[in-house]
Amino acid sequence: AQKITQTQPGMFVQEKEAVTLDCTYDTSDPSYGLFWYKQPSSGEMIFLIYQGSYDQQNATEGRYSLNFQKARKSANLVISASQLGDSAMYFCAMREVLKTSYDKVIFGPGTSLSVIP
Amino acid sequence: EAGVAQSPRYKIIEKRQSVAFWCNPISGHATLYWYQQILGQGPKLLIQFQNNGVVDDSQLPKDRFSAERLKGVDSTLKIQPAKLEDSAVYLCASSLGEGNLNTEAFFGQGTRLTVV
Repeated sequence: AQKITQTQPGMFVQEKEAVTLDCTYDTSDPSYGLFWYKQPSSGEMIFLIYQGSYDQQNATEGRYSLNFQKARKSANLVISASQLGDSAMYFCAMREVLKTSYDKVIFGPGTSLSVIP
Repeated sequence: EAGVAQSPRYKIIEKRQSVAFWCNPISGHATLYWYQQILGQGPKLLIQFQNNGVVDDSQLPKDRFSAERLKGVDSTLKIQPAKLEDSAVYLCASSLGEGNLNTEAFFGQGTRLTVV
């Protein structure tokens, strides 16, 4: 069963505008972590931001913020003031602790973001 | 600190041949992951090690894929024999493990495999 859903295969945004990339997840575990990664055309996976299931506040890292709605099981990434270098694939990922000291990280299908000058 | 190292970066082989990939994780990271990323898709977890033990290999095609992590450090992933559908990028990642939820996985640059 799909545990991470990213419903937007492709998105376009004007340079300097904000954009929201959607992510919903499915877990029955009360303790989990949510991550966003960026993958440019060069292929490396770059960590952007983390949100823990028990965190009371939404995570922020520079121009990146995570809109965490626990009851809805959504963890949308907001990129403010988009730049041309933000054009890339973006993956939502979830870490679950399945057993003591054993965790698993799974990824969504990704969203391709294109920033238009 | 040094990142996750993978080699080779690129590999082209004919179907039914064998191939091996190597990964050296970040020092001190207990957990090592191998992911397969087919073009246009998200990474799919093939196998996960905690130190030198396998904790998840549920999506590893065991009739042709094998992996080991000797001494809980370096790891190799092997495909024998390769099929056309194995063409993908193979990503190695590592993390602190030990149930640390809030530590991200660090990725290597990947090995791009083309099977012709």
